[in-house]
Amino acid sequence: AQSVTQLGSHVSVSEGALVLLRCNYSSSVPPYLFWYVQYPNQGLQLLLKYTSAATLVKGINGFEAEFKKSETSFHLTKPSAHMSDAAEYFCAVISGTSYGKLTFGQGTILTVHP
Amino acid sequence: NAGVMQNPRHLVRRRGQEARLRCSPMKGHSHVYWYRQLPEEGLKFMVYLQKENIIDESGMPKERFSAEFPKEGPSILRIQQVVRGDSAAYFCASSPPMGDNEQFFGPGTRLTVL
Repeated sequence: AQSVTQLGSHVSVSEGALVLLRCNYSSSVPPYLFWYVQYPNQGLQLLLKYTSAATLVKGINGFEAEFKKSETSFHLTKPSAHMSDAAEYFCAVISGTSYGKLTFGQGTILTVHP
Repeated sequence: NAGVMQNPRHLVRRRGQEARLRCSPMKGHSHVYWYRQLPEEGLKFMVYLQKENIIDESGMPKERFSAEFPKEGPSILRIQQVVRGDSAAYFCASSPPMGDNEQFFGPGTRLTVL
């Protein structure tokens, strides 16, 4: 079975500060990992994905994530937060035994203060 | 290339009525997925379909819910005899036949049951 845990349902940072959103996964086989962003009343937009190539993955809007197998983690970071980054972020996993079925974490709401 | 289309964007139904949610995948995509986002909960997988076939319906409630993806036309998620607990945002995603498991999401249908 696959599962995702996002530590911290709410994260608040100042504009220009480092953004760190935590994600840990559980999967019995090598996973595919994703980060999605959701703005209010909108659908999900893919930020980045890990598909067993490079462990450091760069995405859109300056976000990146590092796959650490030993820690079963896929934390999302951005060096400098912008006001427009305020949204809800979801980490998700697909493993080979559940092809097509994205399992999402509970989500982390990011607030950016001026 | 147009993205995933969902309609209606907002749907209001009274208890006991039927709700039909439509999803047109991206051009060239033959795989469709439905997810539900309940208030204060994360996104939950419901069903995975390919043209004329249900591949995985492990997330579908046992009663009142059904889904189809006919040879021609959009995918339909049908909820019969809606109850207030069905109020949620329903998202459709699609993916191409061959790929790295990336799913492209539509804007969602927000169902309100009065």
